[in-house]
Amino acid sequence: GAGVSQSPSNKVTEKGKDVELRCDPISGHTALYWYRQRLGQGLEFLIYFQGNSAPDKSGLPSDRFSAERTGESVSTLTIQRTQQEDSAVYLCASSFSTLNTEAFFGQGTRLTVV
Amino acid sequence: AQTVTQSQPEMSVQEAETVTLSCTYDTSESDYYLFWYKQPPSRQMILVIRQEAYKQQNATENRFSVNFQKAAKSFSLKISDSQLGDAAMYFCAYRSRNTGNQFYFGTGTSLTVIP
Repeated sequence: GAGVSQSPSNKVTEKGKDVELRCDPISGHTALYWYRQRLGQGLEFLIYFQGNSAPDKSGLPSDRFSAERTGESVSTLTIQRTQQEDSAVYLCASSFSTLNTEAFFGQGTRLTVV
Repeated sequence: AQTVTQSQPEMSVQEAETVTLSCTYDTSESDYYLFWYKQPPSRQMILVIRQEAYKQQNATENRFSVNFQKAAKSFSLKISDSQLGDAAMYFCAYRSRNTGNQFYFGTGTSLTVIP
């Protein structure tokens, strides 16, 4: 597709359930980022993939959060045993690795844990 | 790690007037890029403008321009002739070369445009 695609757009889940969020980056983009945005807040970095390098997982808030990416394609962010504080919009972005290029964002997945 | 600070959580401007949003950053690098993104209620982050650190000339894009002060590590966004459609959250971002080209974002400024 032409842009970064995220699915689902909205997800309501019960506390304690696992959820999987998907991000389909722009073709050819080697870098992929996940951010969390709580209501009215800024972007909180979660994880960063760059090509075949080891991902930068320094932003993952707990071991309930994990993410995978196969090569330069789709990424999935998994949240296990969801808690109410996980409720947020999860934004995915991709970019070329060259410095002067911007990150292109998807429209996010709004996760609500009830 | 680099940090990006936006000290104005909220700003407002009268339609057709000019407003300036502030951003400062902390880095020891000399080569990097800076960006301003807009996030309207639709949630879609849209690039507004970018600045190369090695360029002294300030970037401009139509009604949007920046005041880049490298020594002061300041990167403010000026919106001229503000329009109702400019109402959104604005995020300043820094892209590092030394930490794997990671992006660092500020906490955002919510801009209201008053008709």
